[in-house]
Amino acid sequence: SQTIHQWPATLVQPVGSPLSLECTVEGTSNPNLYWYRQAAGRGLQLLFYSVGIGQISSEVPQNLSASRPQDRQFILSSKKLLLSDSGFYLCAWSERLDRGNTEAFFGQGTRLTVV
Amino acid sequence: AQRVTQPEKLLSVFKGAPVELKCNYSYSGSPELFWYVQYSRQRLQLLLRHISRESIKGFTADLNKGETSFHLKKPFAQEEDSAMYYCAPNVYGNNRLAFGKGNQVVVIP
Repeated sequence: SQTIHQWPATLVQPVGSPLSLECTVEGTSNPNLYWYRQAAGRGLQLLFYSVGIGQISSEVPQNLSASRPQDRQFILSSKKLLLSDSGFYLCAWSERLDRGNTEAFFGQGTRLTVV
Repeated sequence: AQRVTQPEKLLSVFKGAPVELKCNYSYSGSPELFWYVQYSRQRLQLLLRHISRESIKGFTADLNKGETSFHLKKPFAQEEDSAMYYCAPNVYGNNRLAFGKGNQVVVIP
C-alpha cells in the first residue's frame, strides 16, 4: 500500500533562518506531488506541485521554493524565513490527475512557527 | 479564472439539524468534484466524489452542472461531523489540484 511521510511534525525557527521540509511517498511511482499551506481564514492554499522529477509548478510568488530531486521526494525550502511563513504545511500525492477521478492523499503536516 | 468558492467559513448547527455546505466552481470543461474532510488531529482525507454517487457517513453531494455547484448535505448532523470540509475540482487533463477555502463545521450537542 502507499504511504506518505512528512517531517518534522513541528518546527520553530527564527526569522532569517533557512527552511527545509521533506516529504516522501512509498508504494507508488511517478506520483503527482503537492505542497499546501493551511492557515486560518485562508483555507488550503496550493503552493507548488510537481508531475515529475525536476518539474515544479509554482502557484504563488513568495519566499518559498520547492524541489523534486527524486521521483518520490518533494522538498519545500526557504533561504530566509519571514514571520509570515508561519503556518501549517501539508504535503500530498496523487496519481496523475489528467487521467481523471483521482483522489489525493495527505501527510500529517508540519506546524511551522517563525519567531 | 478557474476557481472554487465555499462562501461560509464557519457553520454552526445543532445536533440533529440538517447541514449544507455550498461549493460553486468556475471551471471550463467538465470537472470531477470531490469533498475532503479534516477531523481534529487527523489527516485531511477524501470524503466523497461525485462520480461515485454514494452516501458517505450520511453525506451526499450532487453535481449541478447548470448551477456549477456541488453542495454537500446531511439531513441530521452528528457531533462527530464537526470538522473542516474542503471542496476540490479535478479537471481532466490538468494536474493542478486546488481547494476551496473550506468550511469549519461545528455541531452543537
